[in-house]
Amino acid sequence: DAMVIQNPRYQVTQFGKPVTLSCSQTLNHNVMYWYQQKSSQAPKLLFHYYDKDFNNEADTPDNFQSRRPNTSFCFLDIRSPGLGDAAMYLCATGLGGVYNEQFFGPGTRLTVL
Amino acid sequence: ELKVEQNPLFLSMQEGKNYTIYCNYSTTSDRLYWYRQDPGKSLESLFVLLSNGAVKQEGRLMASLDTKARLSTLHITAAVHDLSATYFCAVDLGGSEKLVFGKGTKLTVNP
Repeated sequence: DAMVIQNPRYQVTQFGKPVTLSCSQTLNHNVMYWYQQKSSQAPKLLFHYYDKDFNNEADTPDNFQSRRPNTSFCFLDIRSPGLGDAAMYLCATGLGGVYNEQFFGPGTRLTVL
Repeated sequence: ELKVEQNPLFLSMQEGKNYTIYCNYSTTSDRLYWYRQDPGKSLESLFVLLSNGAVKQEGRLMASLDTKARLSTLHITAAVHDLSATYFCAVDLGGSEKLVFGKGTKLTVNP
């Protein structure tokens, strides 16, 4: 089945220790998104790629970076995680264009000690 | 700036009852999406509404879109415990690939 896969599902890191989260897709969608979701809140868009074009949200901290080496993969790098970065990180994909339904991966739960 | 408001934010209801969740948005859009999220899980797509008057139904859930009123509703019929979850509406920003999410409605269905 076509799907969005995130690894790892759970990540524990130490304060200030860089961490990378991975997302892959078999849907061949043009757009890949990264969201941060904290408890009892709506998902917050960090950035997205439309093909190779990177689109950063204005309020995304510089501590968060992303890479998309090819159509299938996208990475979220947190350079120096703080306690406030503990959250669920959701990757989503979409076709872009007129039809913007987004398909979400299972998420990575990040804990910062 | 597009704003999306859901209400209620919390809903506790008994099994067998009916209720409606509302999603209002502030600027013109004719594409709206409903998602379900179980605790600790990701978002699951429920309904895609792409035009004024669109109505979709799946089991005990029915979603509709009135673009003139800038309103979508998610109606729950004869609720069952398995429907307990958080429901998000998301509105297409138009002209971009982004969606604007409401804050979510946490639904609890009690036996």
